[in-house]
Amino acid sequence: AQTVTQSQPEMSVQEAETVTLSCTYDTSESDYYLFWYKQPPSRQMILVIRQEAYKQQNATENRFSVNFQKAAKSFSLKISDSQLGDAAMYFCAYRSKNTGNQFYFGTGTSLTVIP
Amino acid sequence: EAEVAQSPRYKITEKSQAVAFWCDPISGHATLYWYRQILGQGPELLVQFQDESVVDDSQLPKDRFSAERLKGVDSTLKIQPAELGDSAMYLCASSLDTASTDTQYFGPGTRLTVL
Repeated sequence: AQTVTQSQPEMSVQEAETVTLSCTYDTSESDYYLFWYKQPPSRQMILVIRQEAYKQQNATENRFSVNFQKAAKSFSLKISDSQLGDAAMYFCAYRSKNTGNQFYFGTGTSLTVIP
Repeated sequence: EAEVAQSPRYKITEKSQAVAFWCDPISGHATLYWYRQILGQGPELLVQFQDESVVDDSQLPKDRFSAERLKGVDSTLKIQPAELGDSAMYLCASSLDTASTDTQYFGPGTRLTVL
């Protein structure tokens, strides 16, 4: 089974600064999707950004961008100009194109934004 | 904006009792997922439906857990009997279909505490 590893249980960033959350995964598949989800305290999980493995170009969504290194099986999330509302748990997820398109989630990184 | 609805939001029960959770996906979403999220961990898939059919229930503890989506719309997840280790957040998510490109939309979750 695929595994997703987030080695940073907690991170903090000063407001307006940039922070990078790391994620690595293990798979034998060549085509798949990678996601970053955000789960604010007591609120529901929402999609932040998505990357298709066959695309070499890194995905960007406003202040959020990824650094996708397929050979290294690395998928980090960069948050620029951090805002107080960015404080949340961030989960990296892998979606297989086989095995019924099942999602595999990492253990999460808790991000604190310091005013 | 359409959302995934879940009820109840919180449930406290004693071990050996039966509990049930309800999920109403976004209208038109054919695929429905139930996840279990233990505190400090990422969501783990319990069961995935495509319309009224189960696509994947390999991680569902079938001796005590059951799930149904009789009309292919809303779904119920049941635990009988509940055990202390079942304390967790139970998340429901839906997507248009099972295609890898489809975004999963999560509900607010049901937090279960088993005493």
